[in-house]
Amino acid sequence: GAVVSQHPSWVICKSGTSVKIECRSLDFQATTMFWYRQFPKQSLMLMATSNEGSKATYEQGVEKDKFLINHASLTLSTLTVTSAHPEDSSFYICSAAGGSQPQHFGDGTRLSIL
Amino acid sequence: GENVEQHPSTLSVQEGDSAVIKCTYSDSASNYFPWYKQELGKRPQLIIDIRSNVGEKKDQRIAVTLNKTAKHFSLHITETQPEDSAVYFCAASTMASYDKVIFGPGTSLSVIP
Repeated sequence: GAVVSQHPSWVICKSGTSVKIECRSLDFQATTMFWYRQFPKQSLMLMATSNEGSKATYEQGVEKDKFLINHASLTLSTLTVTSAHPEDSSFYICSAAGGSQPQHFGDGTRLSIL
Repeated sequence: GENVEQHPSTLSVQEGDSAVIKCTYSDSASNYFPWYKQELGKRPQLIIDIRSNVGEKKDQRIAVTLNKTAKHFSLHITETQPEDSAVYFCAASTMASYDKVIFGPGTSLSVIP
């Protein structure tokens, strides 16, 4: 089946730094990628939808200047959490879809901001 | 936009019993309803899905039903086993693979041996 790789799987960093998370579709062209955030014991909340070569569409309440999304190719999307603070600590999961492929999820990135 | 509600939030059953999780959705344009199982710290795994032209679908011990008129859909797990313990999410979307999936709040299922 289709594989979506997400990297890193775990990151710990100091408050104020920026963190980049990569999401790659390994065996299909992902025309659309989605970024979700999941707090402990809560559901997956959609943050934004990104289409290759165009600006991401952010969900209501998600700061686009805080969470920078780039989808420059059909196999790679990145999420950069800028000037991260402890309240940004969460589990971030991407998913990729394209052509006949339904959404496939990455393994997630656990972000801890100290 | 779409809003998905899910009940119960927690569910404990004895091994071998059945478990039922119910969801409702708000957007009549939604026509694809996947169910995901998520174990702690892992990605959601698609376990079954149903499309709006079908009222029921079964896969071994798992079945889903859909009432499009009432905007209700349910997950039924029979003969539960301890390895069924996880958080289950219902979701709603359209059948286009590039459309966003909106998740319900989740049900934490515990199967007691």
